[in-house]
Amino acid sequence: AQSVSQHNHHVILSEAASLELGCNYSYGGTVNLFWYVQYPGQHLQLLLKYFSGDPLVKGIKGFEAEFIKSKFSFNLRKPSVQWSDTAEYFCAVNDNAGGTSYGKLTFGQGTILTVHP
Amino acid sequence: NAGVTQTPKFRVLKTGQSMTLLCAQDMNHEYMYWYRQDPGMGLRLIHYSVGEGTTAKGEVPDGYNVSRLKKQNFLLGLESAAPSQTSVYFCASSQRGGSSYNEQFFGPGTRLTVL
Repeated sequence: AQSVSQHNHHVILSEAASLELGCNYSYGGTVNLFWYVQYPGQHLQLLLKYFSGDPLVKGIKGFEAEFIKSKFSFNLRKPSVQWSDTAEYFCAVNDNAGGTSYGKLTFGQGTILTVHP
Repeated sequence: NAGVTQTPKFRVLKTGQSMTLLCAQDMNHEYMYWYRQDPGMGLRLIHYSVGEGTTAKGEVPDGYNVSRLKKQNFLLGLESAAPSQTSVYFCASSQRGGSSYNEQFFGPGTRLTVL
């Protein structure tokens, strides 16, 4: 079964610092990769997704992620964080893409990001 | 479009009580999912449905039942609630094909406490 690991449980940064959140998955076949964000008290929203093509994916609010197939990784980055980025971030993977996965996602444990003004 | 909606937003149950959580989507999506979110564990799939009248078990199905009588609705039932089912429950939906294939859209969540 697929598993997804997010290395950091809680990251604390000051505004304007750079951010990188790690995500590794276990399945070695074709995958679709996602990063979702959950702001306090809200539901999950899609930040960005990778299906195929350019492994560097740009999402909303200045976030980007790089898919490195050889490392089974999909790390999330942002050059300069803002206080409003305080949220919990989830990496998710859909494997057997194009087959019979029915869109099922396996989520990582989540990383809480706290940004101090 | 309202997207994905969930009813109720909050609920407190006593052990052994039953309840049904309702999820509705207005995007004509084929697939629907129920997750539970617990601190430090991310989201775990309880049950899912690939179309009207069909349901299947996810990662943590025990203690829950589901039904998809209409395409737009997906119900999650707890027959005899237990404290271990205290959690935040999220419903999601996705389409079978197209440009948003495999992208899931989430509802606002239901916070359930079982005493």
